[in-house]
Amino acid sequence: KQEVTQIPAALSVPEGENLVLNCSFTDSAIYNLQWFRQDPGKGLTSLLLIQSSQREQTSGRLNASLDKSSGRSTLYIAASQPGDSATYLCAVTGDSGGSNYKLTFGKGTLLTVNP
Amino acid sequence: KAGVTQTPRYLIKTRGQQVTLSCSPISGHRSVSWYQQTPGQGLQFLFEYFSETQRNKGNFPGRFSGRQFSNSRSEMNVSTLELGDSALYLCASSLRVQETQYFGPGTRLLVL
Repeated sequence: KQEVTQIPAALSVPEGENLVLNCSFTDSAIYNLQWFRQDPGKGLTSLLLIQSSQREQTSGRLNASLDKSSGRSTLYIAASQPGDSATYLCAVTGDSGGSNYKLTFGKGTLLTVNP
Repeated sequence: KAGVTQTPRYLIKTRGQQVTLSCSPISGHRSVSWYQQTPGQGLQFLFEYFSETQRNKGNFPGRFSGRQFSNSRSEMNVSTLELGDSALYLCASSLRVQETQYFGPGTRLLVL
């Protein structure tokens, strides 16, 4: 059974700081990994999707890396802003079809960026 | 392009009642997935539909059911509601389930 863990559970940083969020998964047989952002009481917004054959993806100030063999991914946020404050969720999709047609989520990292 | 819409946004029910939630995917998306989000358990997969077929179901009791229509719109139903069913129910759509999932704003269900 796939399990996804995110560390730290919460993070508070001053504006302008670069930061790294960590995600680990127990079963390396994944099809892809996605990072999402969730604002309080809202749905999820997809930030980046990394296919299992890729090592990283970049979008603006965000960079996500994937080390499938070690079961790890990181989300790097450059020059953080107060608007980045949200919960960041990591999710993986299995690659063996059938019962793996689903996202397995971590519990998330609550990020607070202080002005 | 309109996003994923979910109705209703908020719902209050009492134990023993049943509820139906609706999800309209992004136009052209044929895969619709449902998730339950609670503070204790986080996000948990309920089921996934593709072209009106349920392809996968999470570890939830039979009180939770769903369906998908020919226009890809989906509904989920929870019968005999329990207090523990109080949660945010999220729907996501994608062209294919293994591509980027786009989530709706969710339906917040409170069971009293």
